[in-house]
Amino acid sequence: GNSVTQMEGPVTLSEEAFLTINCTYTATGYPSLFWYVQYPGEGLQLLLKATKADDKGSNKGFEATYRKETTSFHLEKGSVQVSDSAVYFCALSSSASKIIFGSGTRLSIRP
Amino acid sequence: EAQVTQNPRYLITVTGKKLTVTCSQNMNHEYMSWYRQDPGLGLRQIYYSMNVEVTDKGDVPEGYKVSRKEKRNFPLILESPSPNQTSLYFCASKRTGDNSPLHFGNGTRLTVT
Repeated sequence: GNSVTQMEGPVTLSEEAFLTINCTYTATGYPSLFWYVQYPGEGLQLLLKATKADDKGSNKGFEATYRKETTSFHLEKGSVQVSDSAVYFCALSSSASKIIFGSGTRLSIRP
Repeated sequence: EAQVTQNPRYLITVTGKKLTVTCSQNMNHEYMSWYRQDPGLGLRQIYYSMNVEVTDKGDVPEGYKVSRKEKRNFPLILESPSPNQTSLYFCASKRTGDNSPLHFGNGTRLTVT
């Protein structure tokens, strides 16, 4: 079946460091891929998405490229801020009814 | 403002006492879904609905019921809650289509003693 695997957290970085959160997936067909972010006390919100191979999603300085050959959708940001501290979820959607989430990666940024 | 509204935000109850968590969206979305979030397990889908009067089981439906009598509302019902249902619950909605993103409520933290 379809699945999403993302790197274990927590991840702790200093402000202005480079961020990578790894995400790989297993799916039949051509799923859409998403990154969601969850700030403390809130629900998840869409960060970025990509719907086909080689698409790059980007938002708020974050980027992720849909790599079909490596079945990956790694999240990157060149210079993180304290305000980026949150939990990040990778997800895939292979049908209108099924969205599968990874287990989440907690990110903490030190000033 | 486009939003998904869940109530209550916090709920403490005892084993066996029926409860309902309400969910309402104002975006005219066809699809609605309930998830539970537990440490190390990410989000697991409980039930979903593709449209009014159409509901289906997700990955962890045991002990839960839902209904979809109106497009905007999708309540989650626990007929006889048990301690293993202590969790953080999220309602979400989206347009149909596999590349439409989910819109989430702010969550309901349920404790069953």
